[in-house]
Amino acid sequence: DQQVKQNSPSLSVQEGRISILNCDYTNSMFDYFLWYKKYPAEGPTFLISISSIKDKNEDGRFTVFLNKSAKHLSLHIVPSQPGDSAVYFCAARAVGGTSYGKLTFGQGTILTVHP
Amino acid sequence: KAGVTQTPRYLIKTRGQQVTLSCSPISGHRSVSWYQQTPGQGLQFLFEYFSETQRNKGNFPGRFSGRQFSNSRSEMNVSTLELGDSALYLCASSPRTSGNTGELFFGEGSRLTVL
Repeated sequence: DQQVKQNSPSLSVQEGRISILNCDYTNSMFDYFLWYKKYPAEGPTFLISISSIKDKNEDGRFTVFLNKSAKHLSLHIVPSQPGDSAVYFCAARAVGGTSYGKLTFGQGTILTVHP
Repeated sequence: KAGVTQTPRYLIKTRGQQVTLSCSPISGHRSVSWYQQTPGQGLQFLFEYFSETQRNKGNFPGRFSGRQFSNSRSEMNVSTLELGDSALYLCASSPRTSGNTGELFFGEGSRLTVL
């Protein structure tokens, strides 16, 4: 039962253009959504998050949009840079307060930004 | 502030053996979680420890176990290794305070290969 899904295994964009990574979820109990970036041979690093009470959160070149009715979130990177090439994971935390350490991750999307 | 430290980084075992992986969280972080990453599966939650107690457990067989020490350091053990246990095992720590948004801080992982 994949509660968080990233249906695009890979995405290729040109430097300077927008990258849009998508994520769908099924569990209505998720209250926080996060994006992580992972380079080869490194652990995932936190990128940006959004609370379920918001529909948008922006941090520099990165913006996350949340559509609760559609159970869909997306990460926009503008402008994309070659250094953004990595695997991006969408993750979600269920409301309840006892599961601080438990996130449900999607399968990841490999982003390649071409110079 | 030092990050999450995992040892060993790489190891090779044969089927039927057992393995122990170690994790030192960020100083002051009392929650330690473990995840398994395999190609195409994203990160799968194994378990979370807080104050030496297991707080959450994922859907893995009993061969996977863990513990946490009084200094918050954690170990995970996999007994009777199977080929399918080959994966990157990631440890993450969290301050686990109220208002925490779910952000986890990951180590670089321990790459286990089972032959």
